[in-house]
Amino acid sequence: EVQLVQSGTEVKKPGESLKISCKGSGYIFTNYWIGWVRQMPGKGLEWMGIIYPGDSDTRYSPSFQGQVTISADKSISTAYLRWSSLRASDTAMYYCARPMYSGSYSAFDIWGQGTMVTVSS
Amino acid sequence: QSALTQPPSASGSPGQSVTISCTGTSSDVGGYNYVSWYQQHPGKAPKLMIYEVGKRPSGVPDRFSGSKSGNTASLTVSGLQAEDEADYYCNSYAGSNTFGVFGGGTKLTVL
Repeated sequence: EVQLVQSGTEVKKPGESLKISCKGSGYIFTNYWIGWVRQMPGKGLEWMGIIYPGDSDTRYSPSFQGQVTISADKSISTAYLRWSSLRASDTAMYYCARPMYSGSYSAFDIWGQGTMVTVSS
Repeated sequence: QSALTQPPSASGSPGQSVTISCTGTSSDVGGYNYVSWYQQHPGKAPKLMIYEVGKRPSGVPDRFSGSKSGNTASLTVSGLQAEDEADYYCNSYAGSNTFGVFGGGTKLTVL
């Protein structure tokens, strides 16, 4: 079964760093892009960025460029989303997702269960 | 890069049809046939309902259909059922720099 399993709920303070993960299984991890999507409380889906684990080619939405870092460790089939200094406005659910086809993007057909990040003093 | 434009809400009675629009630009919706639609129930991850404008993944009822004209894509839900009540998001490929953009979402209410 193809699936993405994300790391658990996080509660952090402003200014702290954080790295959440998304582990792929049931498919060749290096052959598919992995995207990250933010959903703030009560709000819509926002495209953050996408990485190709095969060569770590990464593309960011302009809104998130410089705010987060997307990476991947292909040896353990895991993608990451990292913040160096969290803000209260980073409080959101974060989803990772995999496109339908290897090597390209048309739509996300596989989604992780989401990681809830709460940033509060 | 701006989000695609969707109406905040839509509604219909059981058995009726409802259409949700998604307006972008020639740099996203109008430029590629990579428009997809997602259904999201409260507390759940999004679910792919339509891809490549009008194709349905296996398991999605044929009551769901998609189309595109120019810079506007549409999702039509026919024969509305109570379980169709959810938030719906469109998405489009937007070029190799960023890859994708979502719409703001539409809350579909089954009256």
